[in-house]
Amino acid sequence: AQSVTQLDSQVPVFEEAPVELRCNYSSSVSVYLFWYVQYPNQGLQLLLKYLSGSTLVKGINGFEAEFNKSQTSFHLRKPSVHISDTAEYFCAVSDGWDDYKLSFGAGTTVTVRA
Amino acid sequence: DVKVTQSSRYLVKRTGEKVFLECVQDMDHENMFWYRQDPGLGLRLIYFSYDVKMKEKGDIPEGYSVSREKKERFSLILESASTNQTSMYLCASSPGGAGGPYEQYFGPGTRLTVT
Repeated sequence: AQSVTQLDSQVPVFEEAPVELRCNYSSSVSVYLFWYVQYPNQGLQLLLKYLSGSTLVKGINGFEAEFNKSQTSFHLRKPSVHISDTAEYFCAVSDGWDDYKLSFGAGTTVTVRA
Repeated sequence: DVKVTQSSRYLVKRTGEKVFLECVQDMDHENMFWYRQDPGLGLRLIYFSYDVKMKEKGDIPEGYSVSREKKERFSLILESASTNQTSMYLCASSPGGAGGPYEQYFGPGTRLTVT
């Protein structure tokens, strides 16, 4: 089974500044990658996913992520954050085309300050 | 929109009680999942169901069982609740069949406290 490491547990950031959340996974022949966001008191919702094709993936709310196979990473970025981006972010990995199970990282809490 | 609902947002139970957590999805999804979420540990899969009456153990099934009698409903059962089962429980569903893996859709969660 895959293991997923999110390298930062807490990321404080000022409004309108850029943010990067780091995610590394254990190596596999094929891998499918996801970023989910959890706003306070809510369930998780999908931000973006990489299944194949272009290594730069764009998601909702201005987020994007880059798949780097050689570094087994899938870092999430946003060039300018808003107060409303305050949330917990989870990286998740599936290692089979028909494997519906996801392995999640421990999460990164982003706190955006004015 | 896909909707996944969970029967309770907050639940307080006593040690040794039998606890039922219910989850319903309205999108005719084949797959349903139960996770527990704990600070610093992320989400850990308890059980997974890929069809009615079919189930598969996840990473932490001990102390839990599940039931799926209808496609839209997936229940998590704590046979004898213990304090170390105090946690946030999240249900999710996704389509099945070829062409996966698919996005999982999550419910709002049930925060269970066992005293």
